[in-house]
This record gives sequence, C-alpha cells and structure tokens, in this order.
Amino acid sequence: NAGVMQNPRHLVRRRGQEARLRCSPMKGHSHVYWYRQLPEEGLKFMVYLQKENIIDESGMPKERFSAEFPKEGPSILRIQQVVRGDSAAYFCASSPPFGGLDTYEQYFGPGTRLTVT
Amino acid sequence: QKEVEQDPGPLSVPEGAIVSLNCTYSNSAFQYFMWYRQYSRKGPELLMYTYSSGNKEDGRFTAQVDKSSKYISLFIRDSQPSDSATYLCAPGGSGGSNYKLTFGKGTLLTVNP
Repeated sequence: NAGVMQNPRHLVRRRGQEARLRCSPMKGHSHVYWYRQLPEEGLKFMVYLQKENIIDESGMPKERFSAEFPKEGPSILRIQQVVRGDSAAYFCASSPPFGGLDTYEQYFGPGTRLTVT
Repeated sequence: QKEVEQDPGPLSVPEGAIVSLNCTYSNSAFQYFMWYRQYSRKGPELLMYTYSSGNKEDGRFTAQVDKSSKYISLFIRDSQPSDSATYLCAPGGSGGSNYKLTFGKGTLLTVNP
C-alpha cells in the first residue's frame, strides 16, 4: 500500500513565477491536508480538502495561494507570483473517511521543498 | 502564549536510556494528542496518539496525557540510535475543526551508541 506521494520533491522558482505542488493521498483516503513548515518553525495547517470541495482554508494566505482536489487526479497546491518568503517545505497529509477508529490519523508525504531565488 | 509549546532541545542521551519528551498546550478543547517522528529532510511519521487523558503503550513508546494540567508526554524505553530524530507533538480536535492538528516546533533527540 503506497503511502502519500508528493512531487516534485524539490522545486526551485524565481520570484514572480508560479509553483505547483502535487499530492496523491494514500489508497482509500478521501481527505487531504496541506501544511507548511518554515525554517525554525513548526508545521502550520494551511487547508483541508475533500474531493471537489475545500472544507477549511483558514490557514491559507489570502492572496496568491490556492488549492484543489479534483474528482480525478492529485490534489494541487498552487502558489502564484512566488516571493522569497514562500521558501519552505510543504507537506501533504491524508486521512481515511471520518467515522472509524482511525479517523484522526493523518499520514504525511515526504514533502516538497520549495526554494525561491 | 503559543497554543503548543515544546522544548526544542537538542536532547542527547546514551543508547538504552529512557527518554522523556514533553509538550504543554493552552487550548483545553483539544481532544486527541498525536506524536510524530520526523527524520531530517523527511515527512513526519505518525508514532501513536491518545484520545483524552491517560496512557497508551506501544512497544517501547508510551504516550501520556494529563488534560487537567494540559501536559503531554512521550516516553521512549531502551532508546536506540535509530530513534534519533525530531519528535513533534500535535494535539487536535478542538471545536468544529476536529481534523486540524496544531504542531509544536519539535524536540531534536540524538541517541548515542
């Protein structure tokens, strides 16, 4: 059973370019979460999605950031017009449908390390 | 006051030692308490979690929660060099956002052979 997959693992963008980060959840998982880890900081919640629905985006910066989880394909975190402050590790996690004993278990992918030059 | 406080360490112990890792939190609405292990340049790996107060044991690891004092602990018995990593506590389940985890900054542990 493959774990959470993220790609690319490393991404370098110049200021002003767009960054697209992809996440495929574990098989059987229908919930996806994105977290950001800034240098010397803890992981911060950004957004929670289910298929075709954004459930909670309270942790997303108001501008330039968007996320989607289409009916088919991976979840995408998109950062437009990147700035140096966007340089961080972005982690995706997935969890099984709610209601079971494992409801609260979030499993993380290896992350995408974004560097903005 | 930060929602989750965790001593960043670094913590260095000899192989075989008992390790105690701790967090405090301020939000009394947290319902469940996760522990993750993160190796350098890797994603967090779920170790174990507890729901509400009490203890939970899994092999060499014991998680303990005291909701009255808002204190979370992870104990590692017979520590091994392979346990060297950053340990993250992450309470969650407050209010209507029962899926949202709030992470501490992590404690860096080194177990010396």
